[in-house]
Amino acid sequence: EDQVTQSPEALRLQEGESSSLNCSYTVSGLRGLFWYRQDPGKGPEFLFTLYSAGEEKEKERLKATLTKKESFLHITAPKPEDSATYLCAVLPLDDKIIFGKGTRLHILP
Amino acid sequence: EPEVTQTPSHQVTQMGQEVILRCVPISNHLYFYWYRQILGQKVEFLVSFYNNEISEKSEIFDDQFSVERPDGSNFTLKIRSTKLEDSAMYFCASSFQETQYFGPGTRLLVL
Repeated sequence: EDQVTQSPEALRLQEGESSSLNCSYTVSGLRGLFWYRQDPGKGPEFLFTLYSAGEEKEKERLKATLTKKESFLHITAPKPEDSATYLCAVLPLDDKIIFGKGTRLHILP
Repeated sequence: EPEVTQTPSHQVTQMGQEVILRCVPISNHLYFYWYRQILGQKVEFLVSFYNNEISEKSEIFDDQFSVERPDGSNFTLKIRSTKLEDSAMYFCASSFQETQYFGPGTRLLVL
C-alpha cells in the first residue's frame, strides 16, 4: 500500500537553529514528490517538486533532497515567519496524490 | 502571479441539503482536482478531472459527489445530500504537469 510518513509530528526551534524534517514514503512508482507549506486555515502553498533520487532544490532558507525511500526538508537559520505546517506528498503512477500528516514547525523568537 | 481561487470561503448548510463549491483554476492548466481536509487530519484526494471527464477518484468520492466544468473557467464540486461527516475544508487544485497549485479552500460546516 502506498503511504507517506512524516516526522517529527511537531518541532519547536529557536530562531536561527537549523534542523531537518523527514518524509518517508513507499509507493509503487514515483512520478514526483512535493513539499508544501500550510498556514492555519489556508490552502497548501507549493514549495518544491522532486522527481528522482539525488535531486535537490533550494529556496531561501529551505532545501529539499530526495532519496529512493525518503525526502528531507532542511531549514537553515529559520525565522519566526517560517512557522507553519510542512506537508510532504507523493504522486504515484495512478495519479492519486498521497499526503503525509505534516510536521508542525514553530520557530521561537 | 496566477492563482487558484475558490468560492465561497465559508459555507454552512443543513444536513441533507445540496451544496456547490466553486473553483477557478489557473488559466493554462489542464488538470483539475478536489481534496478535502477534515479538521486536524491530513489532506485527502477526492477526484481528478482532465479533458472534461473524471480521470481518477478515491473511495470517498461516492455517488453523492459530482464534478463539472460548466464553462471554460469554472470547476465545481457538488455534494447532493450533505452529511455531518462532510464537514471539512475543501481544496481545489490545478496543474499543467505534475505540480499542483492549491486554492485557499472552502470551509464547509454541515449542521
